[in-house]
Amino acid sequence: EDKVVQSPLSLVVHEGDTVTLNCSYEVTNFRSLLWYKQEKKAPTFLFMLTSSGIEKKSGRLSSILDKKELFSILNITATQTGDSAVYLCAAGGTSYGKLTFGQGTILTVHP
Amino acid sequence: GAGVSQSPSNKVTEKGKDVELRCDPISGHTALYWYRQSLGQGLEFLIYFQGNSAPDKSGLPSDRFSAERTGGSVSTLTIQRTQQEDSAVYLCASSFRPPGQGRKETQYFGPGTRLLVL
Repeated sequence: EDKVVQSPLSLVVHEGDTVTLNCSYEVTNFRSLLWYKQEKKAPTFLFMLTSSGIEKKSGRLSSILDKKELFSILNITATQTGDSAVYLCAAGGTSYGKLTFGQGTILTVHP
Repeated sequence: GAGVSQSPSNKVTEKGKDVELRCDPISGHTALYWYRQSLGQGLEFLIYFQGNSAPDKSGLPSDRFSAERTGGSVSTLTIQRTQQEDSAVYLCASSFRPPGQGRKETQYFGPGTRLLVL
């Protein structure tokens, strides 16, 4: 059975801190790993990673995939209160369209 | 419309009743997905439609759950004889193409339907 595990489950930091969120996966015929940010209901897409070692970057957020060790990290530098959210990691495998999600990391950024 | 829409936004029902949840995907998106999110949990895959292909129903938790997609656009998720454990937020997403098939595979999520079974 496909599995995605995120850590930590929750994280509390102060504005300006840098955080690293972890995601490990076991997915048959792995194709892609995705990160989402969920603030209220609808998750919003952040990154999709398919190749090892290539960092994807968007502003203060970046992510990288290690297909040998089966994990990905999401980094957020100079955190702001608006970064407070649940960050979800998902992996896609054999079945097109079927993503397996991790349980999420709850990030709280205090002023 | 500009994004994925879902209705109703909230639904309260009594145990044993049937409910229908609706999803309107982004126009032109061929792939449509249903997920369920229980309190404090990640998203649980339910079902996936891709064009005219047979849907991937492997995530449906029981035969009380069914979904259809009419005309390749609007989808309805039906839960029969609801149970209290069905209480969750039901999220729908759509994408131009499924993940891993190259560009335009990003899933765009709707706001969800919060279902409460009393």
